[in-house]
Amino acid sequence: AQTVTQSQPEMSVQEAETVTLSCTYDTSENNYYLFWYKQPPSRQMILVIRQEAYKQQNATENRFSVNFQKAAKSFSLKISDSQLGDTAMYFCAFTGSGTYKYIFGTGTRLKVLA
Amino acid sequence: DAGVIQSPRHEVTEMGQEVTLRCKPISGHNSLFWYRQTMMRGLELLIYFNNNVPIDDSGMPEDRFSAKMPNASFSTLKIQPSEPRDSAVYFCASSLAGLAGSGETQYFGPGTRLLVL
Repeated sequence: AQTVTQSQPEMSVQEAETVTLSCTYDTSENNYYLFWYKQPPSRQMILVIRQEAYKQQNATENRFSVNFQKAAKSFSLKISDSQLGDTAMYFCAFTGSGTYKYIFGTGTRLKVLA
Repeated sequence: DAGVIQSPRHEVTEMGQEVTLRCKPISGHNSLFWYRQTMMRGLELLIYFNNNVPIDDSGMPEDRFSAKMPNASFSTLKIQPSEPRDSAVYFCASSLAGLAGSGETQYFGPGTRLLVL
């Protein structure tokens, strides 16, 4: 069975610093897709970044980047120059190439401190 | 683009009442998902529609829950009768996914926070 594990329930970081959120997954598939979603206190689920497993290059979106290690089945999210607005719950998600279903991790609550 | 629209944003009702949640997907998206989020169970997929047809309703908790998608731009999730354990945040999401999916991004609405007293 495919699983997604986020081992850090809570983290905090000082404003302007860099923080890395970890995510590991388990699958026997070779082609799949990984996502990070942000859920701020407003509860809206917002896509942060998407990675295709067959692409070796790590995805980046402005201050957000991932470290995708396919062999290790690891997909961590790095937030650079953290801002107060980055305070949120962050969910890692996985979907295989032949399914519509997402598998979500349990989330990491990130607090950015002023 | 307006994004996925959900209404109401908040709903407080009494046990036994009927609750109807509404969703308008992103224009052009052919897949629609209803999720429920609770502290205990996280995000759960309730039902998946593709081209307005329910494909997978295995996540619907029981017969009190029903969902419809009468056209490409509107879906409802109904709970009748509602119970306190139905209290949760309900999300609608849409994507361009085909029937089998190929990694398309799901875009979520703002959610409906439901409280059943």
